[in-house]
Amino acid sequence: GESVGLHLPTLSVQEGDNSIINCAYSNSASDYFIWYKQESGKGPQFIIDIRSNMDKRQGQRVTVLLNKTVKHLSLQIAATQPGDSAVYFCAEKAGYALNFGKGTSLLVTP
Amino acid sequence: GAGVSQSPSNKVTEKGKDVELRCDPISGHTALYWYRQSLGQGLEFLIYFQGNSAPDKSGLPSDRFSAERTGGSVSTLTIQRTQQEDSAVYLCASSSLRTGRHEQYFGPGTRLTVT
Repeated sequence: GESVGLHLPTLSVQEGDNSIINCAYSNSASDYFIWYKQESGKGPQFIIDIRSNMDKRQGQRVTVLLNKTVKHLSLQIAATQPGDSAVYFCAEKAGYALNFGKGTSLLVTP
Repeated sequence: GAGVSQSPSNKVTEKGKDVELRCDPISGHTALYWYRQSLGQGLEFLIYFQGNSAPDKSGLPSDRFSAERTGGSVSTLTIQRTQQEDSAVYLCASSSLRTGRHEQYFGPGTRLTVT
């Protein structure tokens, strides 16, 4: 069936470096994608979204890139900070709900 | 403003007992969703409510699971005759489809442990 998945389950970066979290999706009809951040013991927090008619969208310190040719999504975090340590999920709109990947754990080391 | 709230934050129950989980969505949000998150996993869609329309129950894993939404606001997820495999974090989200956006705002979740 259709699925959303992540390339790497964990990512460790040094404070101040840039982070890139990748996500592959298999449903070529998906037209909307979201990145969420989930800290321990909390619900997912919206970071940024992108529609399929866009290739790139920027927010504050974050950029989402969408490559529809290879069905790949990435989240770039600039100047990663300790507070960025969390699990990051990509999700694609599937009907009314969102179809989530399993998540990538980002660990920021000093 | 107030976000999505859920109660209780933690629930420990014995196998075979019924449990009720509550969700208070963001005021004015017409859409409400329930998801389940097992340890180290992504979120699994359970059920969706939109206004007064019939809910989309396609994600409910068994007939032991049910949910209702009263007055278009508060929702209750009920699990009957709980099993150990029901242990998970149950997350509620709401969204305002009027904005044309699709982002969902999540509550902190209820951690359910079935012993």
